[in-house]
Amino acid sequence: QVQLVESGGGVVQPGRSLRLSCAASGFTFTSYPIHWVRQAPGKGLEWVAVISNDGRDKHYADSVKGRITISRDNSKNTLYVQVNSLRAEDTAVYYCARDRNVAAAVYFFDYWGQGTLVTVSS
Amino acid sequence: EIVLTQSPATLSLSPGERATLSCRASQSVSSYLAWYQQKPGQAPRLLIYDASNRATGIPARFSGSGSGTDFTLTISSLEPEDFAVYYCQQRSSWPKVTFGGGTKVEIK
Repeated sequence: QVQLVESGGGVVQPGRSLRLSCAASGFTFTSYPIHWVRQAPGKGLEWVAVISNDGRDKHYADSVKGRITISRDNSKNTLYVQVNSLRAEDTAVYYCARDRNVAAAVYFFDYWGQGTLVTVSS
Repeated sequence: EIVLTQSPATLSLSPGERATLSCRASQSVSSYLAWYQQKPGQAPRLLIYDASNRATGIPARFSGSGSGTDFTLTISSLEPEDFAVYYCQQRSSWPKVTFGGGTKVEIK
């Protein structure tokens, strides 16, 4: 079955960096665009970034553009996101989510990981 | 940015009752709208995409309708496991996709 497992969250000081990982299994990872979506504690959902199935095309939300880099290693079936210059407002559960469509992203998310919590605090 | 407004914020119903959730977009999103269910401590689950198509494995009691700016998620007869928060999401303005603020369906 499709599985997405995030890791790398924790407590980080403001201004520091963090890299999150998402290990995928149960489907052909190289066929699907993958997204990061985050959710601040007690709040709604916010789309963060997407990477194409081949890793060539990337898009970011304006709220994180310039501070975040999404990447993938198709040989390891793993997605990454590097978040720099962390701010208190980056505190959230970060989910990786598979795009519903093969190849071209349609920005609907059919499988989600369980999420990893990032807390930005001094 | 396309703003999605969900109403009501909270819906108090009993098992077996019909639930009607609304999502209104600040501008037309055509049929590029999805609905998700989220239970406490869990990831969201895709219910409906393209306004009216049920995702894989979603029971028939869930249905979606609408186009343009006004959308509805209907749960025909609430089961105990349906009490959760529901979010709508549009992809019309990709990559700047947005979510609504959510509707909580609680047990009356």
